[in-house]
Amino acid sequence: DTEVTQTPKHLVMGMTNKKSLKCEQHMGHRAMYWYKQKAKKPPELMFVYSYEKLSINESVPSRFSPECPNSSLLNLHLHALQPEDSALYLCASRDGRLAGGPADTQYFGPGTRLTVL
Amino acid sequence: AQTVTQSQPEMSVQEAETVTLSCTYDTSESDYYLFWYKQPPSRQMILVIRQEAYKQQNATENRFSVNFQKAAKSFSLKISDSQLGDAAMYFCAYRRGGSQGNLIFGKGTKLSVKP
Repeated sequence: DTEVTQTPKHLVMGMTNKKSLKCEQHMGHRAMYWYKQKAKKPPELMFVYSYEKLSINESVPSRFSPECPNSSLLNLHLHALQPEDSALYLCASRDGRLAGGPADTQYFGPGTRLTVL
Repeated sequence: AQTVTQSQPEMSVQEAETVTLSCTYDTSESDYYLFWYKQPPSRQMILVIRQEAYKQQNATENRFSVNFQKAAKSFSLKISDSQLGDAAMYFCAYRRGGSQGNLIFGKGTKLSVKP
């Protein structure tokens, strides 16, 4: 099973709202990722968590706040977003405990389509 | 810095025919992985095939196979017996070995399948 789930599927929010995106995996993976994807573009890396600790922040604005409460769950808290933040937000996970083969493969969730009005 | 180049923004294939998508990459690393991901309009990124750089044998997954030319830094994807469900955006991606390596994506190739 290589399933990563994300909720909600769609989210519409105003610029003054606070909302959260949720990502979950039960594969025992220890690396989890947030990506932002604009239409017809490849995903852009935002954050990487390794063993529940933030290891990479790709200079993302502070209006995006990631959280990893446990090894299975990853949240992205949103506050005071701008219309240009409208995009598909993808979560991914990778085994990270071993080297090589499937352990080095990222598996993606279905994404959350975010619209900021 | 590593880069991934997909030179074909769009491709089209007739159903049941074969199509090849091109990908080249640039790296000075010796330990790395290459991937092809498919993203249909439903938007989920789905792993199509994976290749470890140290393996000389080209990876295959059913109708999907790669032509991995390490010296030329080329990693093309061949889809045989194309099906309507193969229509999607295809992304080539590179990841260097080790715990800190992250995916570097090409710009993608949009594949259309004609009935």
